[in-house]
Amino acid sequence: TQLLEQSPQFLSIQEGENLTVYCNSSSVFSSLQWYRQEPGEGPVLLVTVVTGGEVKKLKRLTFQFGDARKDSSLHITAAQPGDTGLYLCAGQPLRGSWGKLQFGAGTQVVVTP
Amino acid sequence: DTGVSQDPRHKITKRGQNVTFRCDPISEHNRLYWYRQTLGQGPEFLTYFQNEAQLEKSRLLSDRFSAERPKGSFSTLEIQRTEQGDSAMYLCASRRESSYNEQFFGPGTRLTVL
Repeated sequence: TQLLEQSPQFLSIQEGENLTVYCNSSSVFSSLQWYRQEPGEGPVLLVTVVTGGEVKKLKRLTFQFGDARKDSSLHITAAQPGDTGLYLCAGQPLRGSWGKLQFGAGTQVVVTP
Repeated sequence: DTGVSQDPRHKITKRGQNVTFRCDPISEHNRLYWYRQTLGQGPEFLTYFQNEAQLEKSRLLSDRFSAERPKGSFSTLEIQRTEQGDSAMYLCASRRESSYNEQFFGPGTRLTVL
């Protein structure tokens, strides 16, 4: 059982559409990160959220951390083919040790022209 | 390029052979992590170093696995007597002491055990 549940597992949309990816847990996290991973490569850090209710924007990407710091969402506006990739959420549980990250299984996003 | 580097990028080996992977973290990062990722899953924690000290090992890390960070800089991960179940992407990440656990990953080493 994964500590972080991501939904949906797979998302295929047309260029220009919007999409939202969810990351949920029953545990509280001291911080949560979103990564994007391309095939055969390591995850690339997109954002870190720390405060409950925090909203961060990165161009067309909007990240939100739940008030209780148990969940997060990633919203992409006007998706482009370059947004295609595996989106992973990861966090350090409040009672975790040494900063090891717990990852969700990821959401595979495919944006077609 | 000042990012995390890993070598080799790909390794194909026969069952029973030993393999060793290397990770060079970002130079000012004193914390280094190893993760393993299999198809369709997120990375899973293997072990953690603070400078040269190995402070935590996952239960996933059997006796066949050993990791070192001798001078607190680069790290190596060795797998002895490889098994087909060891086939995975092995990822290294590093971070600064004072950060909100922002870990930066290398490109990974893809291991295939035949």
